Amino acid sequence: DTEVTQTPKHLVMGMTNKKSLKCEQHMGHRAMYWYKQKAKKPPELMFVYSYEKLSINESVPSRFSPECPNSSLLNLHLHALQPEDSALYLCASSPDLGNTGELFFGEGSRLTVL
Amino acid sequence: GQSLEQPSEVTAVEGAIVQINCTYQTSGFYGLSWYQQHDGGAPTFLSYNALDGLEETGRFSSFLSRSDSYGYLLLQELQMKDSASYFCAVRDATGTASKLTFGTGTRLQVTL
Repeated sequence: DTEVTQTPKHLVMGMTNKKSLKCEQHMGHRAMYWYKQKAKKPPELMFVYSYEKLSINESVPSRFSPECPNSSLLNLHLHALQPEDSALYLCASSPDLGNTGELFFGEGSRLTVL
Repeated sequence: GQSLEQPSEVTAVEGAIVQINCTYQTSGFYGLSWYQQHDGGAPTFLSYNALDGLEETGRFSSFLSRSDSYGYLLLQELQMKDSASYFCAVRDATGTASKLTFGTGTRLQVTL
């Protein structure tokens, strides 16, 4: 299994809703990442987990709350989002903590905030 | 902070060779990666350079000059399926995991 699986693929939510994005990998990778990508822009790093502990938080607003329940799962909890948070949210994992510059990306969850 | 610049668009004909440049200014540098992303798809890893020089992987090659803070991706024998966005990404090591910061991206259009 060489996939990173993200659910849901599409999500529409209101500004008062609470929702979660889920990411799963079974490749034994010990680093997992959340990136945000706006249309025609590069992916922007949000969070990095290493050995299930939060290693990097790129000053992301608290309305985004990451969670790593175990080495295969990564969640992103969403609450009180703004319309400008509408974007593609990409999850990624790396086999060697990213030391060879290689990340495996999922297909993303496309989020629309109304 | 990190700053990576790429040309926004490149057009080339099928069968040709194209070079996509990347210049960077970073506070920490461990290596330069290249990713391909088709519209609506996930970024996929192409190559990584930690040391100066050329790395070749099939039709794709990547070059790095650390002293010039410069790298490029070379695509040979272009095919229509190579039409995609290409991103360079700087690897910076922070804590126990690496951090990849992506460049502005280059949209490659391959024509007949």
